[in-house]
Amino acid sequence: DTAVSQTPKYLVTQMGNDKSIKCEQNLGHDTMYWYKQDSKKFLKIMFSYNNKELIINETVPNRFSPKSPDKAHLNLHINSLELGDSAVYFCASSQPSFSGYHYEQYFGPGTRLTVT
Amino acid sequence: AQTVTQSQPEMSVQEAETVTLSCTYDTSESDYYLFWYKQPPSRQMILVIRQEAYKQQNATENRFSVNFQKAAKSFSLKISDSQLGDAAMYFCAYRRHQVGGGADGLTFGKGTHLIIQP
Repeated sequence: DTAVSQTPKYLVTQMGNDKSIKCEQNLGHDTMYWYKQDSKKFLKIMFSYNNKELIINETVPNRFSPKSPDKAHLNLHINSLELGDSAVYFCASSQPSFSGYHYEQYFGPGTRLTVT
Repeated sequence: AQTVTQSQPEMSVQEAETVTLSCTYDTSESDYYLFWYKQPPSRQMILVIRQEAYKQQNATENRFSVNFQKAAKSFSLKISDSQLGDAAMYFCAYRRHQVGGGADGLTFGKGTHLIIQP
């Protein structure tokens, strides 16, 4: 069973379009994240959600809007796509232990977005 | 703000040999976690090993071990008996500890591309 899944795995679209990437985790985790990996492989946090509530928004353009219908899902909507949005987008999840110590984040397989 | 630096963009090692990947970080926190993630060509992010800053003992997972030097803010990864399947990008990552859990993301280094020579 896949722990963190993303759809689609590949997305090719034109500038100006609006697109969504879906993420689902079946680990029962409370916290979910979106990361962007650019063409130089650099990974950067975009958003984090804890129990459907937005916690972090790391200076991401407001064309990007995360939506969490329930704690198992965190979708990423991107409006008015630009060439610079081309990247691999990773969803991840984690769960704090009772003591508050977080362990590792579990990553989805990534979605390669190409904007032409 | 915390930063993570991997100074080796690329490393090459002969199969069955040992290789060490370097990572340094900067933080004002005293309690945090450090991780090494592996990203093979499939692009899946795979956790290799983690270290809690409060633990003095270096973490070990089979052929993978770390050298954690808290005072020097250094966290290197040693891969013993390198195998062809170890070829990948390796990322060092940091996350501070937050009481009650929190939702901080990971701060990543720029990665080291590891090549295994047969």
